[in-house]
Amino acid sequence: KAGVTQTPRYLIKTRGQQVTLSCSPISGHRSVSWYQQTPGQGLQFLFEYFSETQRNKGNFPGRFSGRQFSNSRSEMNVSTLELGDSALYLCASSFRQSNTEAFFGQGTRLTVV
Amino acid sequence: AQSVSQHNHHVILSEAASLELGCNYSYGGTVNLFWYVQYPGQHLQLLLKYFSGDPLVKGIKGFEAEFIKSKFSFNLRKPSVQWSDTAEYFCAVPRAGSYQLTFGKGTKLSVIP
Repeated sequence: KAGVTQTPRYLIKTRGQQVTLSCSPISGHRSVSWYQQTPGQGLQFLFEYFSETQRNKGNFPGRFSGRQFSNSRSEMNVSTLELGDSALYLCASSFRQSNTEAFFGQGTRLTVV
Repeated sequence: AQSVSQHNHHVILSEAASLELGCNYSYGGTVNLFWYVQYPGQHLQLLLKYFSGDPLVKGIKGFEAEFIKSKFSFNLRKPSVQWSDTAEYFCAVPRAGSYQLTFGKGTKLSVIP
């Protein structure tokens, strides 16, 4: 069974640009969550989607957005990139919305220069 | 709001030493708890989880954790560490009814051969 797949693995962007990251969950999983991981702040929750609906959103500015498609694949978008957006972005999928474990992808390493 | 505290930022042990990593959470309701591990260059993996029942939970690779409700703690233990246990360990609590995980800041474990 394939794991959670995130693409691309690495990205370098310049300030002011926008970026789209993709996440394919484990087959059959309908819940997808996104996290930002930085050395200073650790792992911080961005959004959670279940059946194409955003269920929860973390404390991030509106430049961060996401969506989930009917096949459960998810994308997140960051507009007007800032240097501080440099981070590892992790996607996690789970079968149900709660009471099951979340499986994480390898992440997308975003560097903003 | 939920919070998770991991008091040890960096732990250095020799092989065969015993390990205990602290995790305290602030949430008074029904609690689910997780420990995740991130080996260098790899994705987050679930070590063990507590949903209900026996407060002593056994996970993979010889790890275990004990849920002590009165102390709001879920400490991770291993009787004898190996060099391959070198990794970063995260304690996490999901928001009730969702997969919004609140993570602790993580504990980096270095095992010296």
